[in-house]
Amino acid sequence: KQEVTQIPAALSVPEGENLVLNCSFTDSAIYNLQWFRQDPGKGLTSLLLIQSSQREQTSGRLNASLDKSSGRSTLYIAASQPGDSATYLCAVRSEKLVFGKGTKLTVNP
Amino acid sequence: DTAVSQTPKYLVTQMGNDKSIKCEQNLGHDTMYWYKQDSKKFLKIMFSYNNKELIINETVPNRFSPKSPDKAHLNLHINSLELGDSAVYFCASSKRTSGIKETQYFGPGTRLLVL
Repeated sequence: KQEVTQIPAALSVPEGENLVLNCSFTDSAIYNLQWFRQDPGKGLTSLLLIQSSQREQTSGRLNASLDKSSGRSTLYIAASQPGDSATYLCAVRSEKLVFGKGTKLTVNP
Repeated sequence: DTAVSQTPKYLVTQMGNDKSIKCEQNLGHDTMYWYKQDSKKFLKIMFSYNNKELIINETVPNRFSPKSPDKAHLNLHINSLELGDSAVYFCASSKRTSGIKETQYFGPGTRLLVL
């Protein structure tokens, strides 16, 4: 049974700082891994999708890496901004999409 | 234009009632999903439909019955609501079930509170 863990559960940083969010999963037989952003009272927004054959994906200030063999992914956010404050969810896809509990990020001005 | 929409956004109801949540997607996707996010913020899949056909049915009570009148709609009907059904329910869609490259697009969620 696939289990996804995200560390830390919450993170508070000053504006401008670079930061890393971590995700680990127990079963490496995945098709892809996605990072989502969830804002309070809103749905989920897909940020990055990494195929199992890929090592990383980049979108603007975001960079996600995938090490399938060790069951790990990281989301790197450069030059963080207050608008980045949200909960970031990691999800792995095999037969279905399995989510972690998320990391609640607060970027202080 | 909202890609995946859900109604209502909020739903407060008494225990024992029957309620429905509607979901529509205008992306032309073949596959739609229902997820439940509980008080501990864990997001778990409940159902998945591909071209109106049920393909994933997790261990959810029989009181939950999804209905897909057409490819663009997947409604969730809940009978005899219980306190533990209080959660946020998210609808999502993707182009293909077997498309491993496909991302899922989520609706804004329906916050259900059972009193």
